[in-house]
Amino acid sequence: ETGVTQSPTHLIKTRGQQVTLRCSSQSGHNTVSWYQQALGQGPQFIFQYYREEENGRGNFPPRFSGLQFPNYSSELNVNALELDDSALYLCASSGKGEQYFGPGTRLTVT
Amino acid sequence: DAKTTQPNSMESNEEEPVHLPCNHSTISGTDYIHWYRQLPSQGPEYVIHGLTSNVNNRMASLAIAEDRKSSTLILHRATLRDAAVYYCILIYAGNMLTFGGGTRLMVKP
Repeated sequence: ETGVTQSPTHLIKTRGQQVTLRCSSQSGHNTVSWYQQALGQGPQFIFQYYREEENGRGNFPPRFSGLQFPNYSSELNVNALELDDSALYLCASSGKGEQYFGPGTRLTVT
Repeated sequence: DAKTTQPNSMESNEEEPVHLPCNHSTISGTDYIHWYRQLPSQGPEYVIHGLTSNVNNRMASLAIAEDRKSSTLILHRATLRDAAVYYCILIYAGNMLTFGGGTRLMVKP
């Protein structure tokens, strides 16, 4: 059974650009959640997808958007990047209960 | 989700038990108590969860107060690999985790 994987590992973007982060869920999991973790803080919930539909959203603006595909892999898209978007972005997949997190993508916006 | 309160940091000696407390005085009857931990440079990792009764698994034990307003995560023998930030989280439904600041556990050899 493979775990949750994310790509890329690190990314550097310029303010105003757009970025796409990818996540492959653990086998058999139909729910994926995305979190943003700023340095020294706990992860903050961005949104969750269940069977390709958004199933909940945290306090993030519309320029944060997502997709979930039929194979349950997922993307997080961020438009018009701001310096404060620099963070570790985590995805987590779940089936019936606990969530399994990937290692994250470190995004730096300059 | 109801709020949880944890100490910012705790210290333990290797191979000794560790008791990590969590207060959740506004917990509702349907909130589950979950614990996750985050090792340095890794994503969070599920540890254990419970509703009313104490729970044990291969990683830890969870002791829940009778009034459910507090709980304690117990690591029976701390190792250096247990050094991490431990998060206590209450979840009603939807698997949407609301992380607080957590407790940074330091383990001394």
